[in-house]
Amino acid sequence: DTGVSQNPRHKITKRGQNVTFRCDPISEHNRLYWYRQTLGQGPEFLTYFQNEAQLEKSRLLSDRFSAERPKGSFSTLEIQRTEQGDSAMYLCASSLQGRDTYEQYFGPGTRLTVT
Amino acid sequence: AQTVTQSQPEMSVQEAETVTLSCTYDTSESNYYLFWYKQPPSRQMILVIRQEAYKQQNATENRFSVNFQKAAKSFSLKISDSQLGDTAMYFCAFMNRDDKIIFGKGTRLHILP
Repeated sequence: DTGVSQNPRHKITKRGQNVTFRCDPISEHNRLYWYRQTLGQGPEFLTYFQNEAQLEKSRLLSDRFSAERPKGSFSTLEIQRTEQGDSAMYLCASSLQGRDTYEQYFGPGTRLTVT
Repeated sequence: AQTVTQSQPEMSVQEAETVTLSCTYDTSESNYYLFWYKQPPSRQMILVIRQEAYKQQNATENRFSVNFQKAAKSFSLKISDSQLGDTAMYFCAFMNRDDKIIFGKGTRLHILP
């Protein structure tokens, strides 16, 4: 396993279009996280899954955003009716939740540009 | 709410020198974890070092060490014998039991040849 992967790496879309990003976590990891990073800022938490269950959503995640993790494997993050303010790097991370394990491993991110 | 503050937006040091990056945080929790993450230009975020709040001993990973002052809520990163490959954005981060990581705004570190 080579780590967390994300596709696409870059996405340019016009305002009002829908976009979907995919994250493939490290295979044995049961937790998956989505973060958003805007220019010059640290990543901000969006949502996370324990297996297929979505456990928490940030108030940053408006109704236009939806995330899924079917079967507890890969996850998708969809943004409907994109706005210019959605332009950011979307980061995915995964972890194996256990007694002494909590480290989150990050993917390379998907950079979204809304024109 | 927990917050993480990095007061140095940007720093530059000569190769082989030692540099210290500052971080303070605010929380009412007693059990939590602190991290320093490195994000090289156009590359993914990697964990540099971590510290469990219940451990008094400062964490060390090769050239990287931390100065963890729990009472002062301070968590600085020291990089010894800095190398060109250390050039990156460094994020201080906090995680409590709900497993969400809260990041600071980052310090951009330049290692000069």
